[in-house]
Amino acid sequence: GQQVMQIPQYQHVQEGEDFTTYCNSSTTLSNIQWYKQRPGGHPVFLIQLVKSGEVKKQKRLTFQFGEAKKNSSLHITATQTTDVGTYFCAGINNDMRFGAGTRLTVKP
Amino acid sequence: EADIYQTPRYLVIGTGKKITLECSQTMGHDKMYWYQQDPGMELHLIHYSYGVNSTEKGDLSSESTVSRIRTEHFPLTLESARPSHTSQYLCASSPHDRSSPLHFGNGTRLTVT
Repeated sequence: GQQVMQIPQYQHVQEGEDFTTYCNSSTTLSNIQWYKQRPGGHPVFLIQLVKSGEVKKQKRLTFQFGEAKKNSSLHITATQTTDVGTYFCAGINNDMRFGAGTRLTVKP
Repeated sequence: EADIYQTPRYLVIGTGKKITLECSQTMGHDKMYWYQQDPGMELHLIHYSYGVNSTEKGDLSSESTVSRIRTEHFPLTLESARPSHTSQYLCASSPHDRSSPLHFGNGTRLTVT
């Protein structure tokens, strides 16, 4: 069955440093979604990527979908303390599979 | 802007008790889901429903049951709670289109003593 792997599991950065989390699927995806969960909160939808090689930006966040539609990444430029939380990818094919998440902590 | 509501927000109960976690959404979504999650950790799908009278078990084996008698309501029941059930339970919903994003409720933090 479809598996979605996400790395790293944890990332600790100094405020101002960049951050990247990677998502890899065992099968080709139709689309991929990204969610953010703040500490003590619930996952909130950030963005969806559909097209091969697609790149989308939201302020300091850059989302990429691989050419083969099997991998994706989320890159945050110049992290801020407000970026703290767990970032999940969700691969969609016949069903939706969440990655295990990357927990980001930011030291001020 | 909560359009999906979970109650209670926190629950502490003793072992062996029967409990029902409530989840309701006002968006008319066909699909609803229950996830189990330890704080900040992986999301484990335990039940889902694609519409009224439709319920399926998820990837994580669970001793809970669900029902979907009305579109807006998707309660989860534990017949006999155990300490291993201590976790956060997140309810989510989405429209019928498989590409639509999930809307999550605020969750129920369950502690079984």
